[in-house]
Amino acid sequence: GENVEQHPSTLSVQEGDSAVIKCTYSDSASNYFPWYKQELGKRPQLIIDIRSNVGEKKDQRIAVTLNKTAKHFSLHITETQPEDSAVYFCAASRKAAGNKLTFGGGTRVLVKP
Amino acid sequence: IAGITQAPTSQILAAGRRMTLRCTQDMRHNAMYWYRQDLGLGLRLIHYSNTAGTTGKGEVPDGYSVSRANTDDFPLTLASAVPSQTSVYFCASSERGAATDTQYFGPGTRLTVL
Repeated sequence: GENVEQHPSTLSVQEGDSAVIKCTYSDSASNYFPWYKQELGKRPQLIIDIRSNVGEKKDQRIAVTLNKTAKHFSLHITETQPEDSAVYFCAASRKAAGNKLTFGGGTRVLVKP
Repeated sequence: IAGITQAPTSQILAAGRRMTLRCTQDMRHNAMYWYRQDLGLGLRLIHYSNTAGTTGKGEVPDGYSVSRANTDDFPLTLASAVPSQTSVYFCASSERGAATDTQYFGPGTRLTVL
């Protein structure tokens, strides 16, 4: 089955700096890669996703890049703000598996004011 | 509109007891999912249902069962709880169960098995 690895497990950045989280996946048939943000004590919420036919996608301060050849994808947060402090999860799924997501282990991001 | 609700919010359970975690959605989504969240392991899929009347096993199904009698409800049952089932459980739903559908999560149930 699919295996998703996520690094780093924790990330501390100064407010205004950028944060980058990287994920690798094992199943070359995976074609959908969402990112979820989970604030302390809250539920995970989708923040951005990318499909395998696209190399990069941006939404305001966040962007995701995908390298299908290397089987890795990354989340980039620019101009970080204290409200970006949360745990971020990457995930992967493939069309044949429907909407069954395999998640990475999560990255705890702390933005220091 | 409530979205997805889960009950109870938290529960402490003696090992060997039976427990049902409830999940209800009012978005008329076809697909529903149960995950457990453990520190450092992310979210792992326990069971899923693509439509009412059907269920399937996820990554970690042992010790759990589900049913999907109607569109709105997707209860998760632990027949005989063990301490390793201590975790935070999240229910989720998606509109069609298609690979690129967004999954919407409930607020979670924190379960402690002693």
